[in-house]
Amino acid sequence: GENVEQHPSTLSVQEGDSAVIKCTYSDSASNYFPWYKQELGKGPQLIIDIRSNVGEKKDQRIAVTLNKTAKHFSLHITETQPEDSAVYFCAARSRNTGKLIFGQGTTLQVKP
Amino acid sequence: DGGITQSPKYLFRKEGQNVTLSCEQNLNHDAMYWYRQDPGQGLRLIYYSQIVNDFQKGDIAEGYSVSREKKESFPLTVTSAQKNPTAFYLCASSIDSGGDTYNEQFFGPGTRLTVL
Repeated sequence: GENVEQHPSTLSVQEGDSAVIKCTYSDSASNYFPWYKQELGKGPQLIIDIRSNVGEKKDQRIAVTLNKTAKHFSLHITETQPEDSAVYFCAARSRNTGKLIFGQGTTLQVKP
Repeated sequence: DGGITQSPKYLFRKEGQNVTLSCEQNLNHDAMYWYRQDPGQGLRLIYYSQIVNDFQKGDIAEGYSVSREKKESFPLTVTSAQKNPTAFYLCASSIDSGGDTYNEQFFGPGTRLTVL
């Protein structure tokens, strides 16, 4: 079945350093890849997304890269700040069903 | 103020009781979703609805039921048949969900259900 693997499960960085979270997906027909940030006790919020016809997208300190051949995509956060601390989820959308398949989540801790 | 509301934020129930979680959206979205979130796991899809009066089972529908009588409302009932109902439940909506379109899913704040 459709599956998304996300690594690492926890990530601790020093303020100002970069953080990278990686995801791989199984359904080659997936066409949309959003990243969500979830703060404690709240619902996830979209921070960036990428379509399958694009290889890279950047929004200020956040960037996402997509390698369709290898079926993996990554989130890059530069100049991390303590407020970046949260759980981050990747997801892949099935073109056939329209459903989002989520990764297991990465808990990012940015130490001041 | 546009968005998705879920109520209540915290819910406690006794084992063997059914309980209904509310989800309302005023975004005029066609599609709505219910997810379950457990510690250390990603979001798992329970049920989804692409249009009023229609819904489909997700990956973990057993022990749950839904209805979609109105576009803006998609309540989830956790029945006594759900063996491990304690979890964080998230509702989401999007403009639509099918074909080649891909639209952001907006999430509500969630309901934390605890079975005593």
